[in-house]
Amino acid sequence: QVQLVESGGGVVQPGGSLRLSCAASGFTFSSYGMHWVRQAPGKGLEWVAFIRYDGSNKYYADSVKGRFTISRDNSKNTLYLQMNSLRAEDTAVYYCAKDRYYYDSSGYYRYFDYWGQGTLVTVSS
Amino acid sequence: QTVVTQEPSFSVSPGGTVTLTCGLSSGSVSTSYYPSWYQQTPGQAPRTLIYSTNTRSSGVPDRFSGSILGNKAALTITGAQADDESDYYCVLYMGSLWVFGGGTKLTVL
Repeated sequence: QVQLVESGGGVVQPGGSLRLSCAASGFTFSSYGMHWVRQAPGKGLEWVAFIRYDGSNKYYADSVKGRFTISRDNSKNTLYLQMNSLRAEDTAVYYCAKDRYYYDSSGYYRYFDYWGQGTLVTVSS
Repeated sequence: QTVVTQEPSFSVSPGGTVTLTCGLSSGSVSTSYYPSWYQQTPGQAPRTLIYSTNTRSSGVPDRFSGSILGNKAALTITGAQADDESDYYCVLYMGSLWVFGGGTKLTVL
């Protein structure tokens, strides 16, 4: 079965850096795009970043552009999120999610089909 | 900046029907945004319910359905049950970014 396991969260000071990892199993990792989605305490979900299956395209939310970098190592079935210049407002549970994009005779489909359990990042002095 | 709108809260009686909506601050939601819906209970990861407007994810009961109603995407729960009490999020795909709505807290009582 599909498993996504995040790690790397913790407490970091404002202005600091952290790298999150998401270990994937149960599917052909190198064939699917992947996302990071976060959720601040008591708040809603916020999409953070997407990387294409081969790493050739990356997209970011405006709130993290220039500070966060999404990457992947298909040989290790692992997704990463490098977070620099962290701010208090980056405090959140960070989820990795698998992208599903396909088409059939009825049309095109696109959604997040599997989610990890999340890892908590706390930015505080 | 595009804002995706959802009702902050909704209440439904057990066995009742409720429709949650997902709109845009400017413009109409269409199938080309691939609207999808996710259910989340406190402390848990989101669960995929509906994708590409009206396709149920595997294992999702048929009391959950999706549609376009007017200028919004909609999630309808028919015959609500106690364990449907959750937060519900929609998300729209906008070409090179995805935008979540603020979520709807559904109470079943």
